[in-house]
Amino acid sequence: SAVISQKPSRDICQRGTSLTIQCQVDSQVTMMFWYRQQPGQSLTLIATANQGSEATYESGFVIDKFPISRPNLTFSTLTVSNMSPEDSSIYLCSVAGGLAKNIQYFGAGTRLSVL
Amino acid sequence: QQQVKQSPQSLIVQKGGISIINCAYENTAFDYFPWYQQFPGKGPALLIAIRPDVSEKKEGRFTISFNKSAKQFSLHIMDSQPGDSATYFCATPPGSARQLTFGSGTQLTVLP
Repeated sequence: SAVISQKPSRDICQRGTSLTIQCQVDSQVTMMFWYRQQPGQSLTLIATANQGSEATYESGFVIDKFPISRPNLTFSTLTVSNMSPEDSSIYLCSVAGGLAKNIQYFGAGTRLSVL
Repeated sequence: QQQVKQSPQSLIVQKGGISIINCAYENTAFDYFPWYQQFPGKGPALLIAIRPDVSEKKEGRFTISFNKSAKQFSLHIMDSQPGDSATYFCATPPGSARQLTFGSGTQLTVLP
């Protein structure tokens, strides 16, 4: 299985600011995904990040609000921009492909609180 | 996105009992059907997965049963233990896109 490190593990931010979340994998993977999980809820896909191409966003999520970078096959970042309290959630990085094959593995997540 | 209907929303089981969680999916071809286990403060961890060409897969106390005609798959936890208390999610990967669509989750509590 792939080992995924996410940073920061948690943060408390002020309204209107931005936070960049990092996702590092211990092996090269084809696909990386970013999910959001609101407290007590299921996971919702934000976007798919493939190396060398623009991220693909799901309905309800836009690049201006959640810009994503994927500079190589082991790293990605998600930025939550111009935050509001409604952005308070857990953000999860997931990977598939490479040694992970078709199974998706998740990082521990970033718990974000916006005041 | 594909809909995945998961039930029950919550489940309380006595230690040693059997926990059963069900998922129903829509009409799409999938490579596999995974179940994820999530403890508080942690990311989801793959628990067990089944390919659509088999009807049942067992790993220790955990069993997936797959009913292709009914478009349902279920997770059975035998001899449930307090350490199994967690939230369980079924998921479906739609075709070749690989991103997962998750069920709504089942919060399992196993009483000592």
